Amino acid sequence: KNEVEQSPQNLTAQEGEFITINCSYSVGISALHWLQQHPGGGIVSLFMLSSGKKKHGRLIATINIQEKHSSLHITASHPRDSAVYICAVPVIPGGSEKLVFGKGTKLTVNP
Amino acid sequence: SAVISQKPSRDICQRGTSLTIQCQVDSQVTMMFWYRQQPGQSLTLIATANQGSEATYESGFVIDKFPISRPNLTFSTLTVSNMSPEDSSIYLCSGRTGGITTNEKLFFGSGTQLSVL
Repeated sequence: KNEVEQSPQNLTAQEGEFITINCSYSVGISALHWLQQHPGGGIVSLFMLSSGKKKHGRLIATINIQEKHSSLHITASHPRDSAVYICAVPVIPGGSEKLVFGKGTKLTVNP
Repeated sequence: SAVISQKPSRDICQRGTSLTIQCQVDSQVTMMFWYRQQPGQSLTLIATANQGSEATYESGFVIDKFPISRPNLTFSTLTVSNMSPEDSSIYLCSGRTGGITTNEKLFFGSGTQLSVL
């Protein structure tokens, strides 16, 4: 079982639809990152969450620390939202800090 | 927020040669990291670049294959040595400010798409 699991792996939506991407993790300390990777490889940090909910524009991220689960929502999706969305969890094995990444959810929003 | 300039953005290299990837940050970051992302896979940490000292490598990665330098707080290089087709991947550098769970900001370079023939 992967330490950080995302679902779905692939998601196709029509412009305007509400999108939900899920992330469950079995490791890590009490925080989680959501990242966006565009074609070509560049990655942008969207959120770091340690509790509750954060909102930025049309993006909303929630986290339940007890259940080790987080969701990323996109309201009124747009073709420019097409990207791979990755969740990552910080861990501290042996005292050194590092991130464990999910495999990503590839989102395609069609006009 | 910090901006990381990574170059080259892509390269096609011959087996047995070496490629050095550079990352320049426009402001100081606490820590810098190098990742590899193989096709269809998640990011894998290669090493943590330590300023002025040897990098800290993850299991499966060694200094002879992936020498890393970080002479100051805003610049780091990763060399992929004696390349083989199995080294074909996206390589990304990353910087972090703040603590690992408190107000942490992550920044990534734009990635280097490496193809080894």
